[in-house]
Amino acid sequence: GQQVMQIPQYQHVQEGEDFTTYCNSSTTLSNIQWYKQRPGGHPVFLIQLVKSGEVKKQKRLTFQFGEAKKNSSLHITATQTTDVGTYFCAGNTGTASKLTFGTGTRLQVTL
Amino acid sequence: EAGVVQSPRYKIIEKKQPVAFWCNPISGHNTLYWYRQNLGQGPELLIRYENEEAVDDSQLPKDRFSAERLKGVDSTLKIQPAELGDSAVYLCASSLAGYLSPLHFGNGTRLTVT
Repeated sequence: GQQVMQIPQYQHVQEGEDFTTYCNSSTTLSNIQWYKQRPGGHPVFLIQLVKSGEVKKQKRLTFQFGEAKKNSSLHITATQTTDVGTYFCAGNTGTASKLTFGTGTRLQVTL
Repeated sequence: EAGVVQSPRYKIIEKKQPVAFWCNPISGHNTLYWYRQNLGQGPELLIRYENEEAVDDSQLPKDRFSAERLKGVDSTLKIQPAELGDSAVYLCASSLAGYLSPLHFGNGTRLTVT
């Protein structure tokens, strides 16, 4: 079945440093969504990418979708303590609403 | 708009006992999902409903798990009997129809089986 892996599994940065998480799918994706889960919370939708090579920005967050639509990345510039949480990518293959979540990257930010 | 509502928030049961979780999706969301999230892992899909029809239950352990969505709104997920390995957070999510619609998750039910 489809597998979605993320690296790193965990990253600890100091506030102000940059952070990147990478998402890799075993199969070509029709779209990819990114979610953030705060400690003790539930996943919250951040953004969706659909087109090959697409890049989207949300303030300090930059999302990319690979040319082959099998990988994606999330980059946070100048992290803040409010960025703490686990970031999940999730993708669909085809047009069925069967979102497969990645393994997640837990981000810890300290002052 | 009101979010996805789940209850109970926490549940502790002994193994071999039954347990049920309830979910009320966002009004107007035809698609409802049940996910299971183990500690430190991503959510795994158990079952997906389009209105009242279960269109994807391939990951649901049908020997002990059952689900229903009456009238295409609220849904319940049941485990009978529970096993130690069922300890996890059970998340309900809803979305508008279509694979491009983002998921809205409830707060989840944290199940502990002792």
